[in-house]
Amino acid sequence: KQEVTQIPAALSVPEGENLVLNCSFTDSAIYNLQWFRQDPGKGLTSLLLIQSSQREQTSGRLNASLDKSSGRSTLYIAASQPGDSATYLCGPSFNFNKFYFGSGTKLNVKP
Amino acid sequence: NAGVTQTPKFRVLKTGQSMTLLCAQDMNHEYMYWYRQDPGMGLRLIHYSVGEGTTAKGEVPDGYNVSRLKKQNFLLGLESAAPSQTSVYFCASSGPGLHTGELFFGEGSRLTVL
Repeated sequence: KQEVTQIPAALSVPEGENLVLNCSFTDSAIYNLQWFRQDPGKGLTSLLLIQSSQREQTSGRLNASLDKSSGRSTLYIAASQPGDSATYLCGPSFNFNKFYFGSGTKLNVKP
Repeated sequence: NAGVTQTPKFRVLKTGQSMTLLCAQDMNHEYMYWYRQDPGMGLRLIHYSVGEGTTAKGEVPDGYNVSRLKKQNFLLGLESAAPSQTSVYFCASSGPGLHTGELFFGEGSRLTVL
């Protein structure tokens, strides 16, 4: 079973800070990796998808990087806003149709 | 632009009752999945399907059955519900095409077993 670890488990920051969420996985033979956002009582919304041949993806204030050799991915959020408050989950896949998930980082951005 | 739709969104059952959760996707995806999410346990795969007419066991399949009679639908059944099956259930789909390998989730179905 693949192990996916997300650090920190929870994070509380003032509005405007830049922050980094970390994800590590045990197998470097990754197919792709997705970062998701989950609001309370809601489903998971895909934020970024990094294919195994890519090193990073960017969408607005979000940037995700992937280092297969070290088994790590980071999600960088620039100029955080209260609306960014949610749980962020990392989901690597190790073949085309098998996905694994970390327990998430619960982010609270204070106004 | 529905994506992945789950019904029902909420359900309360008594121990021993049966029910079926329906997942429908309109993206022509080959692969469909059922997960459960519990506090402190993260997302765990129950069953999955790699195409119409196929099903396979995931990490926690006991007490559940699934069927994929049509490509767009994936049903999750509980034959005799137990309190341990109280959880939030998520359906997801992925497949080749414009968003190859990207996983899309439904909004979830919250099940309480008394």
